[in-house]
This record gives sequence, structure tokens and C-alpha cells, in this order.
Amino acid sequence: GQQVMQIPQYQHVQEGEDFTTYCNSSTTLSNIQWYKQRPGGHPVFLIQLVKSGEVKKQKRLTFQFGEAKKNSSLHITATQTTDVGTYFCAKGGGADGLTFGKGTHLIIQP
Amino acid sequence: KAGVTQTPRYLIKTRGQQVTLSCSPISGHRSVSWYQQTPGQGLQFLFEYFSETQRNKGNFPGRFSGRQFSNSRSEMNVSTLELGDSALYLCASSLVGGTLYEQYFGPGTRLTVT
Repeated sequence: GQQVMQIPQYQHVQEGEDFTTYCNSSTTLSNIQWYKQRPGGHPVFLIQLVKSGEVKKQKRLTFQFGEAKKNSSLHITATQTTDVGTYFCAKGGGADGLTFGKGTHLIIQP
Repeated sequence: KAGVTQTPRYLIKTRGQQVTLSCSPISGHRSVSWYQQTPGQGLQFLFEYFSETQRNKGNFPGRFSGRQFSNSRSEMNVSTLELGDSALYLCASSLVGGTLYEQYFGPGTRLTVT
């Protein structure tokens, strides 16, 4: 199936630094969803983006959908230890359920 | 509202055996999807059920099957287990299904095949 590429695979940051993960597709996306999975936990829905150029904010988290609807990003401002986990983007719109990226593991050093 | 529940939470099986995993969706949700999560392959879609019908299926062999009951509860079955089937199996429910709606994941069943 068509993939979504997510980078970086791992990101180490000092607490208080910013963090960004990127999600790229070779084809136009109908929508993109973002999930967070804490260590030992299960994915938890964060947000869905549908419109070209859409920007949504949730407290310190900012989500963007590219103008061409082929890429998306999640930016966290001033990371906290509670932000630790793996962040996944997932594309929908097909008959294959949600297609998840491999995720970005966020590691925070206090 | 209670979240998605999955039973059992942990399971150890031997190669060649079969296994049945259960998922109870959030009350009122009619769609249940199943995913396999492994360190190497990540999260992969197995199948989706909606109103007792399989609506979509991922790229997995026929050894993986599922069903949904009239109360939206779902089961998945893996026959003739292989070592590579060791994984976290997650089910997710959503109100109406499809991929335009957020999915609520259960805690998963950790399956180990020896």
C-alpha cells in the first residue's frame, strides 16, 4: 500500500526545547490524523486535519497540513516530561484502514 | 463512558496453535478495526468490521480472520500460529467507521508465540 514517511525516527531533546515531527506522502492525502502512544500504552487520537493549509493548535501542540496535502507536521513548544512517547501520523481515505507512519519516538532529558 | 476493552491482555501460545482475541467497543460505536503492532513493521491494519460485516481488509494471510457480533463486540482469530505473529494486537472503535473519524484504541493484547 501507499506509505506515509515519518521523520525523524528518534528525537532526543532537553526538557523545555521544542520538537517537530514530519509526515510525508508521495500522493495527495484526503486527511491526516495524529496519534500519541505513551511507552507501554496504546495510541491515543490527537487531531485530524482535512483542509489544505490547515493549522490547528492544542495548547503547546501545533499541527499543520501542507498546501498540497502531501505533508503534515506536529510541533511541540517547550517540551515537558509528559510529552514522552511515540507520535504517529496516519492517513485515511482508502480501503486499507488507517495507514500509519513508523512514528517518531520523543525522548526527553530532564 | 467506558473505553474500548480487550481480553485477554497477555497471551502465550505455541507455534501451530490458534488464538482468539476479543474486543468490546465503546458503547454506541458500530465500527471495530484491528491492527497489529510490531517493532519492525509498526502499526498495520488487519481488518474493519461494521454492522457485522467485514468492510475492509489489510494485507494479511487468510490465517487472520475476524467477526463482529450484533452488539458490535468483535473477535479476531489467528490459526496455525507462527513465531512472527508475536505482536501487540490492538482494536479500535469508531462511531461510524471509515478513516475520516477518530479511532479509539483499546489497551491491546500482547501475544507471544513460542
